Amino acid sequence: KQEVTQIPAALSVPEGENLVLNCSFTDSAIYNLQWFRQDPGKGLTSLLLIQSSQREQTSGRLNASLDKSSGRSTLYIAASQPGDSATYLCAALEMDSSYKLIFGSGTRLLVRP
Amino acid sequence: DGGITQSPKYLFRKEGQNVTLSCEQNLNHDAMYWYRQDPGQGLRLIYYSQIVNDFQKGDIAEGYSVSREKKESFPLTVTSAQKNPTAFYLCASSMGKGKQPQHFGDGTRLSIL
Repeated sequence: KQEVTQIPAALSVPEGENLVLNCSFTDSAIYNLQWFRQDPGKGLTSLLLIQSSQREQTSGRLNASLDKSSGRSTLYIAASQPGDSATYLCAALEMDSSYKLIFGSGTRLLVRP
Repeated sequence: DGGITQSPKYLFRKEGQNVTLSCEQNLNHDAMYWYRQDPGQGLRLIYYSQIVNDFQKGDIAEGYSVSREKKESFPLTVTSAQKNPTAFYLCASSMGKGKQPQHFGDGTRLSIL
């Protein structure tokens, strides 16, 4: 059964710092790996989607990588800003007919001014 | 503009009462999903539907029911059989049968009176 883990659970950094969020998954048979952002009391916003055949995806200051063989994905945030403060969740899409997303429990990020 | 609308934003349930959470999308997406989120945890799949008039149980379907009579609507009923319904409920949709990014509504917070 697929399990997705995110470390650390919480992270506090000063503004301007580059940072890496980690995501690991136990079963490499996935269609894709997705990163989401969640603001308090809100739904999820899709940030990046990496197909199983890809190694990385970039959007602005965000870069996500995928290493299926080791069961790991990282989200790199460059030059962090206070507006980046949120919870970041990763999710693996199951490679079966269910197309279920299996979520990690998230990393709560605080960027201090 | 297109999106997913969940209502109400807050809902209170009395003992023995069934309550229904609304989810409407105007994105013309085929697939729709219901997730439950507990504090500090990731999302867990309750039910999903890949096509009108068809739906499947997710990982925690007990005590919940759904219907998919229209493409744009996927209401979730929390029945009295769900003994611990207090949580944040999120609805999502995606193109095709699930390989595309999921778009989320802003959620409904359900509490017990």
